[in-house]
Amino acid sequence: EAGVVQSPRYKIIEKKQPVAFWCNPISGHNTLYWYRQNLGQGPELLIRYENEEAVDDSQLPKDRFSAERLKGVDSTLKIQPAELGDSAVYLCASTSPVVWNEQFFGPGTRLTVL
Amino acid sequence: QQQVKQSPQSLIVQKGGISIINCAYENTAFDYFPWYQQFPGKGPALLIAIRPDVSEKKEGRFTISFNKSAKQFSLHIMDSQPGDSATYFCAASRSDKLIFGTGTRLQVFP
Repeated sequence: EAGVVQSPRYKIIEKKQPVAFWCNPISGHNTLYWYRQNLGQGPELLIRYENEEAVDDSQLPKDRFSAERLKGVDSTLKIQPAELGDSAVYLCASTSPVVWNEQFFGPGTRLTVL
Repeated sequence: QQQVKQSPQSLIVQKGGISIINCAYENTAFDYFPWYQQFPGKGPALLIAIRPDVSEKKEGRFTISFNKSAKQFSLHIMDSQPGDSATYFCAASRSDKLIFGTGTRLQVFP
């Protein structure tokens, strides 16, 4: 069984540029999470989807961040425009409806904003 | 109230020794306490988890001790191995929302 897939793995951009991250969860996992992990810190939730519905986006900085999961499968997280402080690892995770409390994480996308 | 405090920040243990990582929480509504292990360049992976109705859970060399009254829980790694070298995160959850600690970088030397 394939794990959570994320791309790209690394991204370097200049500040004020847009950037997008893609996540494909484990097949059959209807809950999808985007986290941001700053260097030396634990992951912090940005947004959670149940199928195609964003059920918790209270921590998403909506002035510059957006996310979508149009068909309830894969998801895209976008930052526009990026700021220096956005440099971090962006992690995607998913859970199945059967074992709801185990989140499976992807390898993350390491974003560097110059 | 949403914070989970984790210590130590880093830990160096000799092979065969016991590694102990501690966490504390404030919100008594948390009902699930997992530990995640993260290797460099990888996402966190669930290691072991406990619910507040039990005081201890053991899986192989890994044990969680849970003290509900003190609002503290800890991870014990017995017979630590070099392959255990990683960053460990405690977390607390309510309604599927995980709050992570700041992590402990464990190094096990042969």
